[in-house]
Amino acid sequence: RKEVEQDPGPFNVPEGATVAFNCTYSNSASQSFFWYRQDCRKEPKLLMSVYSSGNEDGRFTAQLNRASQYISLLIRDSKLSDSATYLCVPPEGHGQNFVFGPGTRLSVLP
Amino acid sequence: DAGVIQSPRHEVTEMGQEVTLRCKPISGHNSLFWYRQTMMRGLELLIYFNNNVPIDDSGMPEDRFSAKMPNASFSTLKIQPSEPRDSAVYFCASSLSLAGGVGETQYFGPGTRLLVL
Repeated sequence: RKEVEQDPGPFNVPEGATVAFNCTYSNSASQSFFWYRQDCRKEPKLLMSVYSSGNEDGRFTAQLNRASQYISLLIRDSKLSDSATYLCVPPEGHGQNFVFGPGTRLSVLP
Repeated sequence: DAGVIQSPRHEVTEMGQEVTLRCKPISGHNSLFWYRQTMMRGLELLIYFNNNVPIDDSGMPEDRFSAKMPNASFSTLKIQPSEPRDSAVYFCASSLSLAGGVGETQYFGPGTRLLVL
């Protein structure tokens, strides 16, 4: 299984801050990748899916850096409700994205 | 619309007992995945099916684990005999397909919390 790494955190940031997470992966031909969020004692839920080099959805921006083999998630104007663990699913061979990163925990503080 | 349904939601059993976890994928989804999540190892893929056929079971820890998908709307993950180290949250997920693009998005069930004493 390919190695996928994430900084486990926790990232403790104040409301309104901008925070970014990275996820490194092994070499792959696929370009699609995903970010999921998981709340405490809940199942992972899709946050963003990207089928190119990047995508922006409101306060969230996801990008792929193929040369350096990492994907990133940027959260602007963070809210208390953004507190969760963020799991990356980087590009995998043959477009089959089944390897989740270990997750990065974010706590947004009032 | 109903999401992925898993049962039971919680299971406490004694070492050596058989455990059967159940999953009903989203109607119309052709791919089904079983994952296990622990603090130490994170979310691990155990096995996945496409059109009811097992595609890759390389993540299954050992022969004590088995999974079946007799039809498009039902799958089971069985552990026999169970051991304390099997204690984890077991998630089932489904997706439209494996073909790539938006069809790859996985929708997770609420999970089964298994504790083996």
